[in-house]
Amino acid sequence: QQQVKQSPQSLIVQKGGISIINCAYENTAFDYFPWYQQFPGKGPALLIAIRPDVSEKKEGRFTISFNKSAKQFSLHIMDSQPGDSATYFCAASGGSQGNLIFGKGTKLSVKP
Amino acid sequence: DAGVTQSPTHLIKTRGQHVTLRCSPISGHKSVSWYQQVLGQGPQFIFQYYEKEERGRGNFPDRFSARQFPNYSSELNVNALLLGDSALYLCASTGGGSTDTQYFGPGTRLTVL
Repeated sequence: QQQVKQSPQSLIVQKGGISIINCAYENTAFDYFPWYQQFPGKGPALLIAIRPDVSEKKEGRFTISFNKSAKQFSLHIMDSQPGDSATYFCAASGGSQGNLIFGKGTKLSVKP
Repeated sequence: DAGVTQSPTHLIKTRGQHVTLRCSPISGHKSVSWYQQVLGQGPQFIFQYYEKEERGRGNFPDRFSARQFPNYSSELNVNALLLGDSALYLCASTGGGSTDTQYFGPGTRLTVL
């Protein structure tokens, strides 16, 4: 059972555009929602994270929007750059265990 | 400060063999988690250890085992390797809280022939 559904699977954006990746979760016990960025051959690196007590969090060009009632959250990358080309994973955790449940990933390509 | 370190970087084994992967967490972190990432997929949780005790286990067969040492480093062992065990094995460390940030190492790429 996939507890975190991520879309789209791949995304092509022009330099300077906005990249939007969406995730939906099922388990209402989740209370921590991070986004990870992964480059080929590397481990995932934390980009930004949110907890359900806020609806939005912004760090530089990266913004998480969170909709608790819809059980959805999304990552917005403003002014996308070719260096942002990577695979992005949403994840969720909470309840009695701290393990992360990951989405299947979105491969982002930013064209110059 | 050094981040999470893993060894070896790459490993090639044949079916039926056994493998041991190693992880050293960030200094001061007491919890280590292991994940398996098959090509094109998100990481899948295998184990979490905190203060040398198993805190959680994912849906993996008993061929997978792990342990954490007094210095908080950890080993992941996989017995009777199958072709399907080929993957990137990731280690993540946290301070220990259930929703603490997990910092990932670079992974060990295991290829089973």
